[in-house]
Amino acid sequence: AQSVTQLGSHVSVSEGALVLLRCNYSSSVPPYLFWYVQYPNQGLQLLLKYTTGATLVKGINGFEAEFKKSETSFHLTKPSAHMSDAAEYFCAVSEGFGNEKLTFGTGTRLTIIP
Amino acid sequence: EPEVTQTPSHQVTQMGQEVILRCVPISNHLYFYWYRQILGQKVEFLVSFYNNEISEKSEIFDDQFSVERPDGSNFTLKIRSTKLEDSAMYFCASSDRQGRAGELFFGEGSRLTVL
Repeated sequence: AQSVTQLGSHVSVSEGALVLLRCNYSSSVPPYLFWYVQYPNQGLQLLLKYTTGATLVKGINGFEAEFKKSETSFHLTKPSAHMSDAAEYFCAVSEGFGNEKLTFGTGTRLTIIP
Repeated sequence: EPEVTQTPSHQVTQMGQEVILRCVPISNHLYFYWYRQILGQKVEFLVSFYNNEISEKSEIFDDQFSVERPDGSNFTLKIRSTKLEDSAMYFCASSDRQGRAGELFFGEGSRLTVL
């Protein structure tokens, strides 16, 4: 069985500051890892994903995440926060090709302080 | 870019009524999913569907729930007799294992309110 733990249900950062949202996973097979963003009253939008290959992946809106197998982590970062980044962020894991069912974390609400 | 569309965007119903949520997946996708998100909680897997049958379902997906692909484009989720605790946002998703493998494409969601 797979699981995802997101540390911190709420994170607040100042505009222009570093954004760091933490995600740890558990998987019995090499995982596919995802970050989704959900803006208020909207659906889930894929930010970035790791499947195979380069462990540092870049996504939309200046976000990136690094897959660290030894730490079973896939933390999301952005060097400089923007007001438009305020949203709920979900980390998710799947078994990948052949089983795309996603297991989501509980989400982290990101607030940007002007 | 092709997208998954869902209707209705919001439905209010009385407890005990039947509800059908509709989804049009991306046209060349063959794998379909329903997830739900109760307000303030995480997104939970309900069911996956391939080749006109359920491939996997969660404990949430009990006998009150059913899915169907009535034609070549629609994918529906039916709740036979709604309960208050069915109030949630329901997301449809589809995937293409031959293309962007491992990625689900989500619709905007259907918000169900049971009174």
